[in-house]
Parts: sequence; C-alpha cells; structure tokens
Amino acid sequence: AQTVTQSQPEMSVQEAETVTLSCTYDTSESDYYLFWYKQPPSRQMILVIRQEAYKQQNATENRFSVNFQKAAKSFSLKISDSQLGDAAMYFCAYRRGSGGSNYKLTFGKGTLLTVNP
Amino acid sequence: EAQVTQNPRYLITVTGKKLTVTCSQNMNHEYMSWYRQDPGLGLRQIYYSMNVEVTDKGDVPEGYKVSRKEKRNFPLILESPSPNQTSLYFCASSLTAADTQYFGPGTRLTVL
Repeated sequence: AQTVTQSQPEMSVQEAETVTLSCTYDTSESDYYLFWYKQPPSRQMILVIRQEAYKQQNATENRFSVNFQKAAKSFSLKISDSQLGDAAMYFCAYRRGSGGSNYKLTFGKGTLLTVNP
Repeated sequence: EAQVTQNPRYLITVTGKKLTVTCSQNMNHEYMSWYRQDPGLGLRQIYYSMNVEVTDKGDVPEGYKVSRKEKRNFPLILESPSPNQTSLYFCASSLTAADTQYFGPGTRLTVL
C-alpha cells in the first residue's frame, strides 16, 4: 500500500522569506501523481500544485514550486516570498496514474504553516 | 460557477439518528469520492464512485452507505451514527477517475 509521510507537523516562516515543506512517499508503481493541497482556516481543500511522475521537470505555480526526487521518493514544496495568506495546513497527496478502478488520494498527516509578520 | 457543494455544512446529532450529507457537482464529473478528516490522520477515503450506479468501498467504509443514482449527486448516508463518526467530511469530484480531484467545502459532523 502506498504511504505518504510529512515529517514536519509544524513550520513557521517570516513574511517575504522562503520555506520548504517536506514529503516522502512509498510506492511500487511507476505511474503516479503527486499533489500539494492547502487547507486554510476556512477548511476548504485547495489544490496548490501537481506533479506527474513521468515528468522530470519540477512543477511551478507562481510562488510555489516543488523539488521532485523520484529515486529518493521525495516531493518537497517550496514557497517563495511567503505571504500572510499562505498560513494554512498543507497536505501532500499521492494518486496512482493508471490501472485499477480506484484513483483515491492518499494523504500525509499535514504540516501546519505559520507566517509571521 | 463550477463547484462541488455539500449540505449541511455543520451538523450536530445524536447516536443512532439516521442522517444524510448531500454532495452535488455541476461539472459533469464522472468520479466522485468521500473522505473524512481527523486530527493527526490526514484525509482517508470512505467510498468512491466511478460513474452512475458504480460505487465501491474506500479505506474506511464501516458505518457508511452511498448511492449514485444521478451523475451530479453522491450522498453519504449514516444509518446509525456513532460518536466515532464525529469528523470533518469532504466530497470530491473529477472529470474522470484519472483527473485532478476538486473538493467541496466540507461538512463538520458531531455525533453526541
């Protein structure tokens, strides 16, 4: 079974600084996707970024980028120029890419990010 | 506006009183899924549906039922709720099973 591990229960960053959230995963599959979701105090689950395993290039969305190390099964999220609105719980998630019938998301336990003014 | 909606957003009930949490999407998505979120555990899948009349169990299906009679709706049914079902529930949908899932706003359920 696939597992996702977020080893940092809490992180903090100063406004305008850069922070990196860690995520490792375990899978025997070669075709899969990785995601970072953000959950602000409103509790809404918001997709931040997505990475296809077959793509070597790291995904980027504005101030958010990932460092995808397939061999090491590592998928970290870097937030540049942190803003107060980035404060949230961040979840790393895994999903198989093909085959089978269930494409469930397997989530890590989350990292609570605090942004200090 | 494309969205996934859930109702109610908040519910406090008592043990054994049947309840239904509705989920609806207006994007013609085939795949829909229910997750529950508990502190320190992340989100775990309860049930999923690949299309109309096609549903199956996820990781934590005990105590829950679902149905998919229409493409847009995927209600979660608790026939006899118990306190261990107190949780935050999310419905999610995607165009197909292999596409990115988008989440509803969540339903906070408390069972006394």
